[in-house]
Order: sequence, then C-alpha cells, then structure tokens
Amino acid sequence: GENVEQHPSTLSVQEGDSAVIKCTYSDSASNYFPWYKQELGKRPQLIIDIRSNVGEKKDQRIAVTLNKTAKHFSLHITETQPEDSAVYFCAASIKSNYQLIWGAGTKLIIKP
Amino acid sequence: DAGVTQSPTHLIKTRGQQVTLRCSPKSGHDTVSWYQQALGQGPQFIFQYYEEEERQRGNFPDRFSGHQFPNYSSELNVNALLLGDSALYLCASSPGLAGGRDTQYFGPGTRLTVL
Repeated sequence: GENVEQHPSTLSVQEGDSAVIKCTYSDSASNYFPWYKQELGKRPQLIIDIRSNVGEKKDQRIAVTLNKTAKHFSLHITETQPEDSAVYFCAASIKSNYQLIWGAGTKLIIKP
Repeated sequence: DAGVTQSPTHLIKTRGQQVTLRCSPKSGHDTVSWYQQALGQGPQFIFQYYEEEERQRGNFPDRFSGHQFPNYSSELNVNALLLGDSALYLCASSPGLAGGRDTQYFGPGTRLTVL
C-alpha cells in the first residue's frame, strides 16, 4: 500500500525567512497531494493541494511542487509569520479509493 | 453556510462500553470520511461513506462501524472500548463525484477518553 514519509519532524525558522517541508510517497498511482495545517487542539485545515497533472501551484505565500518521477512533493512558505507556527501534514491519495495516507507531520516554529 | 460539524465535543467512557459519534457534512457534500488521531500523530483513516455505503476501510477492527444517512450525515460507532481507543476522532466531508472525493474538509473533532 501507499506510504508517505515527511521531513523534517521539526523545523525552526526566523520570522521572515522561508520554510520548506518535504514528503515522499511510494505508490506511483497516487494522484492527489494535499497539505494540511493543524494548530494545537484544532482541526486540520486544508491550505493547498496539487494533482498529478500539475507541477507547481501557488497561493500567496504558499506553494507546492510535485516531482512525479522522483515521487516527492514539497511545501514552501515564504516570508514566514508567527501565525504560521503549527503542525503541517502532507498526504497522498489514489483516485481509485480516495483514501488519504498521511505523513507524520512537521512542527513548524517561527522564531521572532 | 455551516462547515463540517461533529458532536459531542468531548466524551468520557470506560473500557468495554460503546460509543456513537456524529458528523454533519458541509452543505453540498455527499462523502464523509472518519479518522482517528492519537496525540502527536497524524490522522489514521478509518473508513469512508458515500451513497449510504462504506466504500473504503482502513486498518481498523470490526469494533469500528459506521453509517451514513440519506441526508449525508454519518455516525461512527465503536464497541467494546479499549484504553487505546482514546483519541481525537475527526470527520471530513468531500464534495463528491463532481467536486472530488479526495478533497476533504475537517470538522472540529470529538475527543474520546477511555478510562
């Protein structure tokens, strides 16, 4: 079955700097890759997603890139702000079953 | 327009008891997925319902069962509770066939504590 690995487990960056979180997946049939942000005690919030027919997608300070050949995708956050501090999860799914397989999460810490 | 709602917010049960959790999907969504999230971990897929049937199931025992109603709301039932069932239970809804069953929006969750 599908397996998603996420790195790093913790990322600490200076406010204003960029943050990059990377995920790899195992099943080449995976075709949908969302990213979720979860603040302490709150629900996961979908922040951006990408499908396998696209290589990059941007939404203001957030971007996701996908490399199908290497089977990895990354989340890029530019000009980080204190409110970006949270746990970020990547996930992958195969169209045939719509089941999201999640990474272990990255705790992002923005230092003032 | 209300988002995904879940009830109750918190629940305390003892080992061996049974529990029912409820979820109402976002307006216009017909697909509901359930996840278990242990403290400090990512969500684990339990199952997914659409057209009132269980369509996909993760690696969870038969003690975990569910139901979807004609109005697309859903219930998660857990029998013979174990201490290890203590977790945050998340419901996610998806637009459905036209909008994508994999694009999932989460409710606030139900925190279940088993003593």
